[in-house]
Amino acid sequence: AQSVAQPEDQVNVAEGNPLTVKCTYSVSGNPYLFWYVQYPNRGLQFLLKYITGDNLVKGSYGFEAEFNKSQTSFHLKKPSALVSDSALYFCAVRDDTGGFKTIFGAGTRLFVKA
Amino acid sequence: GAVVSQHPSRVICKSGTSVKIECRSLDFQATTMFWYRQFPKKSLMLMATSNEGSKATYEQGVEKDKFLINHASLTLSTLTVTSAHPEDSSFYICSASGLLGEETQYFGPGTRLLVL
Repeated sequence: AQSVAQPEDQVNVAEGNPLTVKCTYSVSGNPYLFWYVQYPNRGLQFLLKYITGDNLVKGSYGFEAEFNKSQTSFHLKKPSALVSDSALYFCAVRDDTGGFKTIFGAGTRLFVKA
Repeated sequence: GAVVSQHPSRVICKSGTSVKIECRSLDFQATTMFWYRQFPKKSLMLMATSNEGSKATYEQGVEKDKFLINHASLTLSTLTVTSAHPEDSSFYICSASGLLGEETQYFGPGTRLLVL
């Protein structure tokens, strides 16, 4: 069965500092991994995904994520946080066995302080 | 590209009435659409998956007679909450995928439903 864990409910970081939002996963087959961001009262926006290839994936708004197979992790990172990055971030996983179902983590709220 | 719209964005209705929410893919053909429910400060709960022209597949615990899903075309899916009750109040979000097997889901902006 698929599962995804975001161990931190909230991450606080000062503007200009690097940020990391953690995600670990469990799947039966090979993982398809995603990060989405949600702003208040809005739907989710796609940030980036890992399907295959380079372990370091670059996405929208300067975000990147590193796929680590041995640690079953897919942490989201940004070298320099902006106040406008403050939002709710969801990690999601789907396996490659052919089903469409994607499992979402509980979400991590990121606060970037000026 | 890959824009998904939802209508209405917000709806208030009386208990016992039915509410229809539309989800449209504006610039691509959505073979598969998903309906989610999001509770305050909680993650998304997948309600059902629908493929164009076929019946929706509901997740365990989701009443298919209460949450009617129709995916009649490649650009439109509708969710009808029948005989709504206050406990159905929530934020409903749809998403769409293009090609069969397409991994990325593109999300609509969500619909806030309040049942009085």
